[in-house]
Amino acid sequence: DAGVIQSPRHEVTEMGQEVTLRCKPISGHNSLFWYRQTMMRGLELLIYFNNNVPIDDSGMPEDRFSAKMPNASFSTLKIQPSEPRDSAVYFCASTPGQSNTEAFFGQGTRLTVV
Amino acid sequence: AQSVTQLGSHVSVSEGALVLLRCNYSSSVPPYLFWYVQYPNQGLQLLLKYTSAATLVKGINGFEAEFKKSETSFHLTKPSAHMSDAAEYFCAVNFNDYKLSFGAGTTVTVRA
Repeated sequence: DAGVIQSPRHEVTEMGQEVTLRCKPISGHNSLFWYRQTMMRGLELLIYFNNNVPIDDSGMPEDRFSAKMPNASFSTLKIQPSEPRDSAVYFCASTPGQSNTEAFFGQGTRLTVV
Repeated sequence: AQSVTQLGSHVSVSEGALVLLRCNYSSSVPPYLFWYVQYPNQGLQLLLKYTSAATLVKGINGFEAEFKKSETSFHLTKPSAHMSDAAEYFCAVNFNDYKLSFGAGTTVTVRA
């Protein structure tokens, strides 16, 4: 398996534009997570999906952020409109769903909003 | 409250010296514990995990960690540091639910 695949790896956009980040989890994994990493706040869990259903979105910063998982092999994280403070590295991770198994991370998307 | 704490945001060691990274957790029940490594511009990679089998866990790249319930700790060690060990290390805890809680991370610098 190729692991968790995220695209794009880098994104530079202007403030106010819509940004869509994409993730393909490992086949057979039924849990998917979106994390945000910044110097100030470290790794923050934004949203958790189980079997394609959002279970916990309490980490989503505000209504400008939305996430979807239309099927077991694809998820998106959208920011509309984007702001400079959204600049961060966004990671997608997947697990088989059992608590004693590790999360497998993608390479991340480095977002810069100017 | 359940939490995970990494002591020391930066650690600098000489090549060949012991690497010791500290992780403590707060929980009423033993959680599942993990150490991840992040190299520059990369995602997080699992080093090792504790899942209630052996208390001393061996991982990749010569790292190991010992679970001490009485101290609620899961410190990471490597006897002899290599230049390639320069990275950021994260302790992560699963408190028997669906998500990982991460420590703040420790950046390791290796001096020649």
